[in-house]
Amino acid sequence: GESVGLHLPTLSVQEGDNSIINCAYSNSASDYFIWYKQESGKGPQFIIDIRSNMDKRQGQRVTVLLNKTVKHLSLQIAATQPGDSAVYFCAEKIQGAQKLVFGQGTRLTINP
Amino acid sequence: DTGVSQNPRHKITKRGQNVTFRCDPISEHNRLYWYRQTLGQGPEFLTYFQNEAQLEKSRLLSDRFSAERPKGSFSTLEIQRTEQGDSAMYLCASSSSPGLINYGYTFGSGTRLTVV
Repeated sequence: GESVGLHLPTLSVQEGDNSIINCAYSNSASDYFIWYKQESGKGPQFIIDIRSNMDKRQGQRVTVLLNKTVKHLSLQIAATQPGDSAVYFCAEKIQGAQKLVFGQGTRLTINP
Repeated sequence: DTGVSQNPRHKITKRGQNVTFRCDPISEHNRLYWYRQTLGQGPEFLTYFQNEAQLEKSRLLSDRFSAERPKGSFSTLEIQRTEQGDSAMYLCASSSSPGLINYGYTFGSGTRLTVV
């Protein structure tokens, strides 16, 4: 079946370091991927997205990398700040469908 | 328009009661989605509207659940005869039509339902 999973349920980094959050997906028909950040009691907040015809996309302090060969997605956060503490979800959209399939999430904590 | 708006933010109800949630999407978005999220899990798809037409429903959406989007703008999600297993965060999202670089798939803050 279709699934989106994360390698690590928790990630702890030092403030100022770079963070890398990984995601594996299983459906080769997925054509669109999104990373969301979710803080406690709030809805998922869009961070960055990437289409399957790309392998890298950069935003402000964030970069998403897509490796379709191994069905792997990663989110890189540069110079991690305390405000980056949250649960991060990757989500995939299968070509022709509209729904997103989410993984379980990775909790990112920042050490001062 | 500041984003997707959901009301109420919190709802506590007794088992067996009916509840209704409302979602106001981003005005220029023609697609609207409902998801359910339980603690520690990612959101799970429930249903999807394009304008006023409900085009897809998940098997998670039992007969006790009904969603409407009568004028293609706001949407309501009703749960009849609530059960304790319905306790979750109900999230609404909206997006624009495909073909754009960014679908703009934007979520609201959700309605947290507690069934006691």
